[in-house]
Amino acid sequence: GEDVEQSLFLSVREGDSSVINCTYTDSSSTYLYWYKQEPGAGLQLLTYIFSNMDMKQDQRLTVLLNKKDKHLSLRIADTQTGDSAIYFCAEPGGGYQKVTFGTGTKLQVIP
Amino acid sequence: EPEVTQTPSHQVTQMGQEVILRCVPISNHLYFYWYRQILGQKVEFLVSFYNNEISEKSEIFDDQFSVERPDGSNFTLKIRSTKLEDSAMYFCASNMDRSSYEQYFGPGTRLTVT
Repeated sequence: GEDVEQSLFLSVREGDSSVINCTYTDSSSTYLYWYKQEPGAGLQLLTYIFSNMDMKQDQRLTVLLNKKDKHLSLRIADTQTGDSAIYFCAEPGGGYQKVTFGTGTKLQVIP
Repeated sequence: EPEVTQTPSHQVTQMGQEVILRCVPISNHLYFYWYRQILGQKVEFLVSFYNNEISEKSEIFDDQFSVERPDGSNFTLKIRSTKLEDSAMYFCASNMDRSSYEQYFGPGTRLTVT
């Protein structure tokens, strides 16, 4: 079965880089996601990476995938106060029928 | 940009009462989902729905839960006899087809059972 783990909390200063880590167990996932949940809001797909990629860059976001260690990370460069949110690592379930979410990492950006 | 909508945004109900949470998925999407998030915990899959029937459900989705797509646009989650532990944020999601990598999530309905 799928199980996705993350550290619960990260605090960074505005302008610094943030790195949010995730470990997953389902090696058959074709892709992995990062979702963002702002306070009181729904879940927004931030970015995704296909499993045949090691890295994906999208503006301030860099996703790194280590398939051997089943480790996924999200790096946010030049972190802004608007980046304060909960970030969920996630993977699709069997048959793409569902998404399995990690525990979520709450990112606090200190001005 | 098309979006998934959910009503109400907050529902307060007494234990034992029935509640219906409503969702309007994106119009050309075919797969529909409900998830819940108990305060401070991870987002958990409840059920997926395709072609007017449940395609997968989790252990959480027991006999007190049901889903329906009554009119081709709404997608509802009914909880027959609410318990205190049903208090959570309920998210609806939809995607176009099985190969689509993105599920679009609604803003959620916060259910409070007293």
